[in-house]
Amino acid sequence: DTAVSQTPKYLVTQMGNDKSIKCEQNLGHDTMYWYKQDSKKFLKIMFSYNNKELIINETVPNRFSPKSPDKAHLNLHINSLELGDSAVYFCASSQDPTGTQYFGPGTRLTVL
Amino acid sequence: QKEVEQNSGPLSVPEGAIASLNCTYSDRGSQSFFWYRQYSGKSPELIMFIYSNGDKEDGRFTAQLNKASQYVSLLIRDSQPSDSATYLCAVVRTGRRALTFGSGTRLQVQP
Repeated sequence: DTAVSQTPKYLVTQMGNDKSIKCEQNLGHDTMYWYKQDSKKFLKIMFSYNNKELIINETVPNRFSPKSPDKAHLNLHINSLELGDSAVYFCASSQDPTGTQYFGPGTRLTVL
Repeated sequence: QKEVEQNSGPLSVPEGAIASLNCTYSDRGSQSFFWYRQYSGKSPELIMFIYSNGDKEDGRFTAQLNKASQYVSLLIRDSQPSDSATYLCAVVRTGRRALTFGSGTRLQVQP
Protein backbone atom coordinates (compact mmCIF):
# COMPACT_ATOMS: atom_id res chain seq x y z
CA ASP A 1 0.00 0.00 0.00
CA THR A 2 1.27 3.45 -0.90
CA ALA A 3 1.80 5.51 2.25
CA VAL A 4 1.52 8.98 0.70
CA SER A 5 -0.07 9.24 -2.72
CA GLN A 6 -0.59 12.16 -5.06
CA THR A 7 -2.61 12.67 -8.18
CA PRO A 8 -1.91 13.45 -10.90
CA LYS A 9 1.74 12.51 -11.37
CA TYR A 10 2.10 14.85 -14.34
CA LEU A 11 0.13 17.97 -15.14
CA VAL A 12 0.64 20.01 -18.31
CA THR A 13 -1.55 23.07 -18.72
CA GLN A 14 -1.77 26.51 -20.24
CA MET A 15 -1.09 29.80 -18.49
CA GLY A 16 -4.15 31.22 -16.84
CA ASN A 17 -5.81 27.88 -16.14
CA ASP A 18 -6.87 26.62 -12.71
CA LYS A 19 -5.74 23.19 -11.54
CA SER A 20 -5.79 21.00 -8.44
CA ILE A 21 -3.43 18.41 -7.01
CA LYS A 22 -4.68 15.84 -4.51
CA CYS A 23 -2.81 14.11 -1.72
CA GLU A 24 -3.79 11.26 0.57
CA GLN A 25 -1.88 9.51 3.32
CA ASN A 26 -2.77 6.21 5.00
CA LEU A 27 -0.19 6.43 7.79
CA GLY A 28 -2.56 7.86 10.36
CA HIS A 29 -0.44 11.01 10.62
CA ASP A 30 -1.76 14.27 12.00
CA THR A 31 0.35 16.66 9.93
CA MET A 32 0.52 17.16 6.17
CA TYR A 33 2.57 19.47 3.98
CA TRP A 34 2.96 20.88 0.52
CA TYR A 35 6.45 21.57 -0.83
CA LYS A 36 7.61 23.08 -4.10
CA GLN A 37 10.86 21.90 -5.67
CA ASP A 38 12.11 24.15 -8.41
CA SER A 39 14.53 23.47 -11.24
CA LYS A 40 17.48 24.02 -8.89
CA LYS A 41 16.11 21.23 -6.70
CA PHE A 42 15.56 23.45 -3.68
CA LEU A 43 12.75 22.02 -1.56
CA LYS A 44 10.68 24.82 -0.08
CA ILE A 45 7.71 24.43 2.23
CA MET A 46 4.49 26.11 1.16
CA PHE A 47 1.84 24.99 3.65
CA SER A 48 1.44 22.74 6.64
CA TYR A 49 -1.73 21.44 8.28
CA ASN A 50 -1.91 19.83 11.70
CA ASN A 51 -5.22 18.13 12.54
CA LYS A 52 -6.84 20.06 9.69
CA GLU A 53 -5.58 23.38 11.08
CA LEU A 54 -3.29 25.52 8.92
CA ILE A 55 -0.09 26.04 10.90
CA ILE A 56 2.35 27.15 8.23
CA ASN A 57 1.54 29.45 5.38
CA GLU A 58 4.75 30.63 3.77
CA THR A 59 5.08 33.58 1.46
CA VAL A 60 3.12 32.00 -1.34
CA PRO A 61 0.92 33.89 -3.84
CA ASN A 62 -2.71 33.73 -2.81
CA ARG A 63 -3.40 31.99 -6.11
CA PHE A 64 -2.38 28.89 -4.16
CA SER A 65 -5.00 27.60 -1.76
CA PRO A 66 -4.69 24.44 0.29
CA LYS A 67 -7.67 22.52 1.61
CA SER A 68 -7.72 19.74 4.16
CA PRO A 69 -11.12 18.02 4.27
CA ASP A 70 -9.82 15.55 6.86
CA LYS A 71 -6.53 14.51 8.44
CA ALA A 72 -5.76 12.04 5.67
CA HIS A 73 -6.20 14.44 2.76
CA LEU A 74 -4.58 17.68 1.71
CA ASN A 75 -5.33 19.22 -1.66
CA LEU A 76 -3.71 22.15 -3.43
CA HIS A 77 -5.65 24.36 -5.78
CA ILE A 78 -3.84 26.82 -8.02
CA ASN A 79 -5.64 29.64 -9.81
CA SER A 80 -4.45 31.57 -12.84
CA LEU A 81 -1.36 29.47 -13.43
CA GLU A 82 1.84 31.25 -14.41
CA LEU A 83 5.02 30.04 -16.11
CA GLY A 84 6.90 30.36 -12.82
CA ASP A 85 4.60 27.84 -11.20
CA SER A 86 6.26 25.07 -13.21
CA ALA A 87 7.93 22.81 -10.66
CA VAL A 88 7.54 19.51 -8.86
CA TYR A 89 5.08 19.68 -5.99
CA PHE A 90 5.51 17.20 -3.16
CA CYS A 91 3.04 16.30 -0.50
CA ALA A 92 4.37 14.92 2.78
CA SER A 93 3.04 13.78 6.13
CA SER A 94 4.38 13.26 9.63
CA GLN A 95 3.02 12.17 12.99
CA ASP A 96 3.64 15.65 14.40
CA PRO A 97 4.96 18.94 12.98
CA THR A 98 8.57 18.33 14.00
CA GLY A 99 8.79 14.63 13.22
CA THR A 100 10.04 12.55 10.34
CA GLN A 101 8.28 13.43 7.14
CA TYR A 102 7.27 10.92 4.49
CA PHE A 103 6.95 12.20 0.96
CA GLY A 104 4.58 11.41 -1.84
CA PRO A 105 5.87 10.67 -5.36
CA GLY A 106 5.47 14.27 -6.51
CA THR A 107 3.44 16.02 -9.19
CA ARG A 108 5.39 17.56 -12.05
CA LEU A 109 3.52 20.67 -13.14
CA THR A 110 4.41 22.24 -16.47
CA VAL A 111 2.79 25.54 -17.40
CA LEU A 112 3.02 26.43 -21.10
CA GLN B 1 23.55 33.36 5.94
CA LYS B 2 21.31 30.54 4.79
CA GLU B 3 19.37 28.74 7.49
CA VAL B 4 20.67 25.33 6.39
CA GLU B 5 23.74 25.25 4.20
CA GLN B 6 25.15 22.42 2.13
CA ASN B 7 27.80 22.29 -0.55
CA SER B 8 25.96 21.60 -3.79
CA GLY B 9 28.71 19.35 -5.14
CA PRO B 10 28.98 17.17 -7.01
CA LEU B 11 31.00 15.20 -4.52
CA SER B 12 32.72 12.42 -6.42
CA VAL B 13 34.11 9.36 -4.61
CA PRO B 14 35.32 5.98 -5.88
CA GLU B 15 33.34 2.86 -5.14
CA GLY B 16 34.21 1.44 -1.73
CA ALA B 17 35.38 4.77 -0.30
CA ILE B 18 33.84 6.77 2.51
CA ALA B 19 31.64 9.67 1.40
CA SER B 20 31.41 12.56 3.83
CA LEU B 21 28.52 14.99 3.48
CA ASN B 22 28.34 18.12 5.59
CA CYS B 23 25.62 20.51 6.65
CA THR B 24 25.74 23.66 8.78
CA TYR B 25 22.79 25.48 10.30
CA SER B 26 22.37 28.99 11.60
CA ASP B 27 19.86 28.57 14.44
CA ARG B 28 21.74 27.49 17.55
CA GLY B 29 18.52 26.34 19.18
CA SER B 30 17.72 23.79 16.45
CA GLN B 31 16.58 20.51 17.95
CA SER B 32 16.23 17.76 15.39
CA PHE B 33 18.27 16.89 12.34
CA PHE B 34 17.42 14.68 9.39
CA TRP B 35 19.17 13.30 6.34
CA TYR B 36 17.12 12.49 3.25
CA ARG B 37 18.25 10.95 -0.03
CA GLN B 38 16.66 11.92 -3.32
CA TYR B 39 17.29 10.05 -6.54
CA SER B 40 16.79 11.96 -9.76
CA GLY B 41 13.10 12.19 -10.57
CA LYS B 42 12.05 10.63 -7.27
CA SER B 43 10.84 11.90 -3.93
CA PRO B 44 13.03 12.41 -0.85
CA GLU B 45 13.34 9.38 1.41
CA LEU B 46 14.55 9.39 4.99
CA ILE B 47 17.98 7.91 5.70
CA MET B 48 18.23 8.76 9.37
CA PHE B 49 17.63 11.36 12.05
CA ILE B 50 19.71 12.49 15.02
CA TYR B 51 18.76 14.53 18.06
CA SER B 52 21.77 14.33 20.41
CA ASN B 53 25.39 15.32 20.07
CA GLY B 54 27.66 12.54 18.89
CA ASP B 55 27.40 9.74 16.38
CA LYS B 56 24.48 7.57 15.35
CA GLU B 57 25.09 4.55 13.16
CA ASP B 58 22.69 2.64 10.94
CA GLY B 59 24.30 0.08 8.67
CA ARG B 60 26.70 1.84 6.30
CA PHE B 61 25.45 5.27 7.39
CA THR B 62 26.66 7.35 10.32
CA ALA B 63 25.21 10.70 11.27
CA GLN B 64 27.34 13.02 13.37
CA LEU B 65 25.98 16.01 15.25
CA ASN B 66 27.97 18.81 16.86
CA LYS B 67 25.59 21.42 18.27
CA ALA B 68 28.39 23.64 19.58
CA SER B 69 29.77 24.02 16.07
CA GLN B 70 26.32 23.89 14.47
CA TYR B 71 27.04 21.17 11.98
CA VAL B 72 25.70 17.78 11.16
CA SER B 73 27.34 15.33 8.81
CA LEU B 74 26.56 12.05 7.13
CA LEU B 75 29.20 9.42 6.46
CA ILE B 76 28.55 6.65 3.97
CA ARG B 77 30.96 3.77 4.30
CA ASP B 78 31.76 1.40 1.43
CA SER B 79 30.05 3.73 -1.05
CA GLN B 80 28.22 2.04 -3.90
CA PRO B 81 27.19 3.43 -7.30
CA SER B 82 23.60 3.02 -6.07
CA ASP B 83 24.35 5.67 -3.43
CA SER B 84 24.66 8.27 -6.20
CA ALA B 85 21.90 10.75 -5.41
CA THR B 86 21.28 14.15 -3.86
CA TYR B 87 21.45 14.18 -0.07
CA LEU B 88 19.28 16.70 1.74
CA CYS B 89 19.92 17.91 5.25
CA ALA B 90 16.86 19.12 7.20
CA VAL B 91 16.60 20.85 10.56
CA VAL B 92 13.83 21.71 12.99
CA ARG B 93 14.53 25.31 13.97
CA THR B 94 13.53 26.89 17.26
CA GLY B 95 9.82 27.56 17.46
CA ARG B 96 9.18 26.33 13.96
CA ARG B 97 6.79 23.47 13.46
CA ALA B 98 8.36 22.19 10.27
CA LEU B 99 11.59 21.06 8.68
CA THR B 100 13.89 23.51 6.94
CA PHE B 101 15.80 21.85 4.13
CA GLY B 102 19.21 22.64 2.73
CA SER B 103 19.66 22.75 -1.02
CA GLY B 104 21.30 19.32 -1.09
CA THR B 105 24.66 17.82 -2.04
CA ARG B 106 24.89 15.70 -5.14
CA LEU B 107 26.98 12.58 -4.59
CA GLN B 108 28.50 10.60 -7.44
CA VAL B 109 30.06 7.22 -6.68
CA GLN B 110 32.36 6.15 -9.48
CA PRO B 111 32.50 2.39 -10.24
